[in-house]
Amino acid sequence: KAGVTQTPRYLIKTRGQQVTLSCSPISGHRSVSWYQQTPGQGLQFLFEYFSETQRNKGNFPGRFSGRQFSNSRSEMNVSTLELGDSALYLCASSRTGGFTGELFFGEGSRLTVL
Amino acid sequence: LAKTTQPISMDSYEGQEVNITCSHNNIATNDYITWYQQFPSQGPRFIIQGYKTKVTNEVASLFIPADRKSSTLSLPRVSLSDTAVYYCLVAEGGGGNKLTFGTGTQLKVEL
Repeated sequence: KAGVTQTPRYLIKTRGQQVTLSCSPISGHRSVSWYQQTPGQGLQFLFEYFSETQRNKGNFPGRFSGRQFSNSRSEMNVSTLELGDSALYLCASSRTGGFTGELFFGEGSRLTVL
Repeated sequence: LAKTTQPISMDSYEGQEVNITCSHNNIATNDYITWYQQFPSQGPRFIIQGYKTKVTNEVASLFIPADRKSSTLSLPRVSLSDTAVYYCLVAEGGGGNKLTFGTGTQLKVEL
């Protein structure tokens, strides 16, 4: 079956702009979670959605937001981009949600902020 | 939140057993321990998960001592294709928001 699909794979933005990233989970998975990966901070959890509701949230400013649609596809948005937002953004899907059990990750969207 | 630390890097040779330890001193009663493998330009891939004692699957074993303040991922007979970064993940069971990734261990396997 198809894996987790993230689009776009690469993008370049300038400071102050906003960006929207998309994630299509594995069919039948109702949970989508988002992560930021940087060389300095490693992997950090952003938020998790389950059945269109945000269930968990990490320690990121309000500039980072997300949503989930009825078909379980999810988007995350970052407004007023800063240089430090340059990172690989990963999403993962799971059937049951929460963080026990297997998370299936996409290949990520690499964001560069100039 | 559990604070997790791992060795930055490890080197091994093909056919050897590799043990990677993760320290999670502040692990809570409900926290599960999961290990992921990540190759360059790819998302992490699930290896194994456990709560206590020992768990084994077709690719690895996970050892968790009674105090649960650390865990050890054991990879039997590694090959070149096991060269990757390995992360431990400590997460609260029951869908809570406590989620902490380890710092990651770069494993390099040589002939």
